[in-house]
Amino acid sequence: AQSVTQLDSHVSVSEGTPVLLRCNYSSSYSPSLFWYVQHPNKGLQLLLKYTSAATLVKGINGFEAEFKKSETSFHLTKPSAHMSDAAEYFCVVVWMDSSYKLIFGSGTRLLVRP
Amino acid sequence: DVKVTQSSRYLVKRTGEKVFLECVQDMDHENMFWYRQDPGLGLRLIYFSYDVKMKEKGDIPEGYSVSREKKERFSLILESASTNQTSMYLCATSRRYEQYFGPGTRLTVT
Repeated sequence: AQSVTQLDSHVSVSEGTPVLLRCNYSSSYSPSLFWYVQHPNKGLQLLLKYTSAATLVKGINGFEAEFKKSETSFHLTKPSAHMSDAAEYFCVVVWMDSSYKLIFGSGTRLLVRP
Repeated sequence: DVKVTQSSRYLVKRTGEKVFLECVQDMDHENMFWYRQDPGLGLRLIYFSYDVKMKEKGDIPEGYSVSREKKERFSLILESASTNQTSMYLCATSRRYEQYFGPGTRLTVT
């Protein structure tokens, strides 16, 4: 069965410093993995996706994530945080049957301090 | 751009009322989903549909039903609202794996 664990419920960084949001997955298959972002009172927006091509995936707004099969991880990073990055981030694994269901992590809330 | 709209941003209902939440998409996607979002629990799938008049239960279908009479519209129904159904409800659509979300409906049941 597929599952995903976000290791931190809250992460706080100063503006201009690096961001690291951690995600570990469990999957019987070679997984497809996504990161979604949700700004306050908004719906979810796709940040980036891994679908078994390049292991380093670049997304929008300067974010990127690296798929590491040996560590079963898909951590999200950004070199320099901006105030507008404050949001909730969800790591997602695709349920590998024909239904296209997604399995969401519990979310990490990113706080950016001025 | 994919556009997914939900009928209300905020809704307040009384216990026992029948509640309809509507979702409309304009991209001709086959798959549509209803989730509820609660703090610390992420998103949990209530129901999904991969074709008109087709529906499948997600992880937490109890107390909910759905209707999909047209491809672009997917309705979530709370037959008799209860306070534990106070939550944020999100609709999503997809052709394959990448899902596109509506802005959400924050439902309060008093």
